[in-house]
Amino acid sequence: EADIYQTPRYLVIGTGKKITLECSQTMGHDKMYWYQQDPGMELHLIHYSYGVNSTEKGDLSSESTVSRIRTEHFPLTLESARPSHTSQYLCASSGSIKRGSSGNTIYFGEGSWLTVV
Amino acid sequence: KNQVEQSPQSLIILEGKNCTLQCNYTVSPFSNLRWYKQDTGRGPVSLTIMTFSENTKSNGRYTATLDADTKQSSLHITASQLSDSASYICVVSDRGSTLGRLYFGRGTQLTVWP
Repeated sequence: EADIYQTPRYLVIGTGKKITLECSQTMGHDKMYWYQQDPGMELHLIHYSYGVNSTEKGDLSSESTVSRIRTEHFPLTLESARPSHTSQYLCASSGSIKRGSSGNTIYFGEGSWLTVV
Repeated sequence: KNQVEQSPQSLIILEGKNCTLQCNYTVSPFSNLRWYKQDTGRGPVSLTIMTFSENTKSNGRYTATLDADTKQSSLHITASQLSDSASYICVVSDRGSTLGRLYFGRGTQLTVWP
């Protein structure tokens, strides 16, 4: 069972609002990721982190930003949401063998469905 | 361009029947291949992971095969259950970078009818 949590699960906000999607994992994983997935489409990597104070942009250009101040926490922020940001955002982690988790397995959160109106 | 192609795009079977999902990839250099199950509105859950030297791996009623020479993988589901209805995603990782970049297929949407 994966110990990775995302909040909120569902969110509807107005254009121009600032939003932060939270992601926390209790497995001690060093690597964390944010993916964006539209319905019926593949996942696209938008941000990743190797560890504390490490953040990199992924393959898909995104106006969001991330931070990694603590190992277990990897929040994603949209400073000014637009309708084009409407999508599902999936957080994931991998890498540590602590707590019996497999270092090769990537564990996903349940996802955050964002709708910008 | 590294790609992962899955077929069929969608599949409907009756409960209790078997089915096989296909995944072809062009990712190189190859590191590993994973199959994930994603229920509607949920995050993907890992089913299997196979490296270059592994030909088959099972997880309960799920059996994955890998042919690294032809760059093909399959996921066989035995005695399907209603709860198997989900999207099955093939994910291939390369070993050309420290991150082990992941390439995602679009998934096969499986529906199991009673």
